[in-house]
Amino acid sequence: DIQMTQSPSSLSASVGDRVTITCRASQSISSFLNWYHQKPGKAPKLLIYVASSLQSGVPSRFSGSGSGTDFTLTISSLQPEDFATYYCQQSYNTPWTFGQGTKVEIK
Amino acid sequence: EVQLVESGGGLVKPGGSLRLSCAASGFTFSNAWMSWVRQAPGKGLEWVGRIKSKTDGGTTDYAAPVKGRFSISRDDSKNTVYLQMNSLKTEDTAVYYCTTVWRGSSDYWGQGTLVTVSS
Repeated sequence: DIQMTQSPSSLSASVGDRVTITCRASQSISSFLNWYHQKPGKAPKLLIYVASSLQSGVPSRFSGSGSGTDFTLTISSLQPEDFATYYCQQSYNTPWTFGQGTKVEIK
Repeated sequence: EVQLVESGGGLVKPGGSLRLSCAASGFTFSNAWMSWVRQAPGKGLEWVGRIKSKTDGGTTDYAAPVKGRFSISRDDSKNTVYLQMNSLKTEDTAVYYCTTVWRGSSDYWGQGTLVTVSS
């Protein structure tokens, strides 16, 4: 199975900060990488698919980049509603696997 | 509007069985690939498995921890996907989400249904 490792596991940031989360795959996954965020008690929400495509309705402050084994999710200016846990997921090979999550907290 | 509504969760003893259902609306269900994702209490997301559309073969794939115990099926006449869970273990306790699949991503999610495996 392909292992997905996110860093950091958690971070504290302020409204307006630029935030970057990284995700590394244990083998090349081309661009088959998706990003989600999840707020407590809610279902996850898709933000980015195939590494850099913004899901419809998602604000443009979210962006994704990378290919192969190393990927990045960037929030250009953190908003109050962005405090959540973020997950990457590979869909290159089944079983599709998630990273362990990155919790973004208020500083 | 896409809607996914899971049902069938509850309390079951170890070794027992449960069938979850996910009723879909707002899109052409027969063309959709569907998946199940679970989340144990206080833990991260875990992919459970996926079923392709019948036109793409209708095949299924599963994560290693559930392979041989869980099975996913679909009834396109009822716009419903199922997750049959057998030989349940305490570590299967989780919220189970049904999702649509598009280009390998889970683009729509249900609200989730809680399965508790405990004696």
